[in-house]
Amino acid sequence: QVQLVQSGAEVKKPGASVKVSCKASGYTFTGYYMHWVRQAPGQGLEWMGWINPNSGGTNYAQKFQGRVTMTRDTSISTAYMELSRLRSDDTAVYYCARDRVVPAAIRGNYYYYMDVWGKGTTVTVSS
Amino acid sequence: SSELTQDPAVSVALGQTVRITCQGDSLRSYYASWYQQKPGQAPVLVIYGKNNRPSGIPDRFSGSSSGNTASLTITGAQAEDEADYYCNSRDSSGNHRYVFGTGTKVTVL
Repeated sequence: QVQLVQSGAEVKKPGASVKVSCKASGYTFTGYYMHWVRQAPGQGLEWMGWINPNSGGTNYAQKFQGRVTMTRDTSISTAYMELSRLRSDDTAVYYCARDRVVPAAIRGNYYYYMDVWGKGTTVTVSS
Repeated sequence: SSELTQDPAVSVALGQTVRITCQGDSLRSYYASWYQQKPGQAPVLVIYGKNNRPSGIPDRFSGSSSGNTASLTITGAQAEDEADYYCNSRDSSGNHRYVFGTGTKVTVL
């Protein structure tokens, strides 16, 4: 079955970097973009960006430009999200989610959604 | 940048119907997808597109849209439907980015 398995919890000091991994199985890794989404304690979901595992192309939310780097290793079907210059407000659960784009009934339209999610990786930033 | 606005909380009596709305300019161009999130768990896709349910999602969940508003309706709410619900859509500014709604806490009484 399609599965995304994320790396374990991390504790980092302010100013450090964290790299979270997301290992895909049960499907062709390079066939689907991968999103990264985070959720601070008691807060809502926040989209961070996506990576095209086939080309390595990325698209980041403006808020994270310059601090986030998404990469992949196709040989082990794993996507990575690295966030640098960590602050206390980066404390959150970080999720990876598989992207889907399917044609809609109306020609030229598409449905965009995230159909499979990892269980999340808790990142705590504290001095 | 796009924003998607949801009511913070709604309540529904067991077995009754509740509608959750999501408003934003991007919804004039793109359909919303909806995600259910229970405490301590990852989000789960419940509706995508015009009104499509992934395998395993009960048919009491349905979606609709009109203009800049998308809606998720739970017809005959069950205790297990108590959760946070988030809408999501592609950003309409042409930059291929995405945005989540602010989230709605659904309480089943």
